[in-house]
Amino acid sequence: DTGVSQNPRHKITKRGQNVTFRCDPISEHNRLYWYRQTLGQGPEFLTYFQNEAQLEKSRLLSDRFSAERPKGSFSTLEIQRTEQGDSAMYLCASSLGQGWNEQFFGPGTRLTVL
Amino acid sequence: KQEVTQIPAALSVPEGENLVLNCSFTDSAIYNLQWFRQDPGKGLTSLLLIQSSQREQTSGRLNASLDKSSGRSTLYIAASQPGDSATYLCAVKSAGNKLTFGGGTRVLVKP
Repeated sequence: DTGVSQNPRHKITKRGQNVTFRCDPISEHNRLYWYRQTLGQGPEFLTYFQNEAQLEKSRLLSDRFSAERPKGSFSTLEIQRTEQGDSAMYLCASSLGQGWNEQFFGPGTRLTVL
Repeated sequence: KQEVTQIPAALSVPEGENLVLNCSFTDSAIYNLQWFRQDPGKGLTSLLLIQSSQREQTSGRLNASLDKSSGRSTLYIAASQPGDSATYLCAVKSAGNKLTFGGGTRVLVKP
C-alpha cells in the first residue's frame, strides 16, 4: 500500500495522559499536514511541514501539542496532558512539490479522552 | 480569513437521481479547490481537484465546476447509487499552505 498511513487508528486514553500519533506520508512527498476533525465538522488545519521544517502552525495548536518530522519522512503528533476537548479524529495528509498540488489523506487516528 | 460553506448540510435522494452539491467560499484568491468523500469513521478520499485557472473537472459520473469570481463550486454526481452515500467535503487552498474545509454535505441515496 503506497498511500498515507497513520497509527494507531484508534486511541482511548484518560484525561491527563500523553498520547503520540504517527503519520507515514506517501514516499517522496515533501509536504506533510496535520488536521483535526470533530464530529459533524470539516477538518481544521493544525500544522504543516516542508521536508523536516515546520513552517506553519494554527492557533488551534496549543502549547500541549507538538509535532515533529525528523529527517523529512514520517511525522509524529504528541498531545500532552490530554483534555476531553481533544477528542477528535486526527488526519494526516501529504503532497508533492508545490503547495497547490493535491493533498492525499490518511485514514486518521480517532482519539477518545475519557 | 477564508470561510467555506456547504449547503445543504444533509441531502436524501432516491437512487438514479442526479446529485447537486454546493460549496461557497469568501475569498476568491484561491490556488485550487478539492472535493473529498468521507465515509463514516474513515479518512478523506480525494475526488476532484480544480486549479484556479480551470472552470471544471470531470471523472466518471462526477463533474465539478468552479466560478472563482462568485466564490462558488458545484459537484454534480450523475445517476446516484446507494454506494454514493457518504459525506462530501469541499476545501480551498488559498494564501498559506493549508486547506480550508466546509462543514460537509451528508448524502443518503435510497435504493
